[in-house]
Amino acid sequence: DVKVTQSSRYLVKRTGEKVFLECVQDMDHENMFWYRQDPGLGLRLIYFSYDVKMKEKGDIPEGYSVSREKKERFSLILESASTNQTSMYLCASSLSWSPQHFGDGTRLSIL
Amino acid sequence: KQEVTQIPAALSVPEGENLVLNCSFTDSAIYNLQWFRQDPGKGLTSLLLIQSSQREQTSGRLNASLDKSSGRSTLYIAASQPGDSATYLCAVIASSSYKLIFGSGTRLLVRP
Repeated sequence: DVKVTQSSRYLVKRTGEKVFLECVQDMDHENMFWYRQDPGLGLRLIYFSYDVKMKEKGDIPEGYSVSREKKERFSLILESASTNQTSMYLCASSLSWSPQHFGDGTRLSIL
Repeated sequence: KQEVTQIPAALSVPEGENLVLNCSFTDSAIYNLQWFRQDPGKGLTSLLLIQSSQREQTSGRLNASLDKSSGRSTLYIAASQPGDSATYLCAVIASSSYKLIFGSGTRLLVRP
């Protein structure tokens, strides 16, 4: 079974902090994705990566950046956290056109 | 721009009922459609994936159908159980990218 692991289930940070969310997958998938999920807005794609050191903006990249130095790891970075970035963050991976597999999510609160 | 809509937003049924969840999408140029389940506070679990060339997929008590020309998919759950209570999401991948576009989900409650 594919395992996608997000480093934290719950995280509390302060405004202005630089925040790192980590995601690791164990199935050698080339594609990795970061989404955020908000009530009433559903799941929205922030960034995705289809190979090491490759990245593409999703629908809401503002205020975020990503890093993919190794195939199995995809990091989401909040450069200067703001309260409107309080959300549930979900990481996913996939092999080409195969189903996307999701981690358990990180519930991030920015105070 | 692709938009995905799910109806109803919420559904409550007694245990044992067969039920249908609906998903519609505006652009028929999709590569595949995926149904997910999400339990409260958790990530998404993939249930079924239908390729654009397929009409349906089955897994246990679940059956998903796809009518690309009309932009519709249905998820049929047979003999529902309280453990089926969750939010069900459908998502499509456009033919031109790996990006999933999600519907807003149907929140299902199966009453014992």
